[in-house]
Amino acid sequence: KNQVEQSPQSLIILEGKNCTLQCNYTVSPFSNLRWYKQDTGRGPVSLTIMTFSENTKSNGRYTATLDADTKQSSLHITASQLSDSASYICVVSARGNTGFQKLVFGTGTRLLVSP
Amino acid sequence: DAGITQSPRHKVTETGTPVTLRCHQTENHRYMYWYRQDPGHGLRLIHYSYGVKDTDKGEVSDGYSVSRSKTEDFLLTLESATSSQTSVYFCAISPSDRANEQFFGPGTRLTVL
Repeated sequence: KNQVEQSPQSLIILEGKNCTLQCNYTVSPFSNLRWYKQDTGRGPVSLTIMTFSENTKSNGRYTATLDADTKQSSLHITASQLSDSASYICVVSARGNTGFQKLVFGTGTRLLVSP
Repeated sequence: DAGITQSPRHKVTETGTPVTLRCHQTENHRYMYWYRQDPGHGLRLIHYSYGVKDTDKGEVSDGYSVSRSKTEDFLLTLESATSSQTSVYFCAISPSDRANEQFFGPGTRLTVL
């Protein structure tokens, strides 16, 4: 069964600190992995996307890593800011038999950055 | 929100009533999707469209129907709303199914009493 599991479910850190969020997946056939940020009351917004051959990608203070062998990804946030408070969702894309890309969403990690 | 609007943004309705949610895009993207988001679940695909009048079911399509008569509009209809359909509904768009990402709308919070 295609699944995406994220940990921790929630996290509180002090402003300025770093944190790392984890994503494990069992999705096949793998096409790509994306991290989304979802602010409260808003739709998800893409942070990074990585294909099988990429093992790291950065977007400002956000750095995502991918280990396709162990089927694990992480999202590292550096020098956190209050505006980083949001849910972070790991999404893995699987190529279906018809060619349609099926997205499998994790339940997200809720991050609270405290002053 | 990448040229995507959803209406209404909030709705409260009673069990058994019909409800239609609208997604409108200004990006001229071919693909449009409807998802629902519930606590303890990741976003789940309800239906998607790959062109005008071309639609297909997602993983949680029971109780929902969709229509797409114009490129820019994708309607989600609950023929007879149930309390289990209380959720936040998101529309998303992408230029193709091989696009690197989908762009999401702001969401519609639906409560069925």
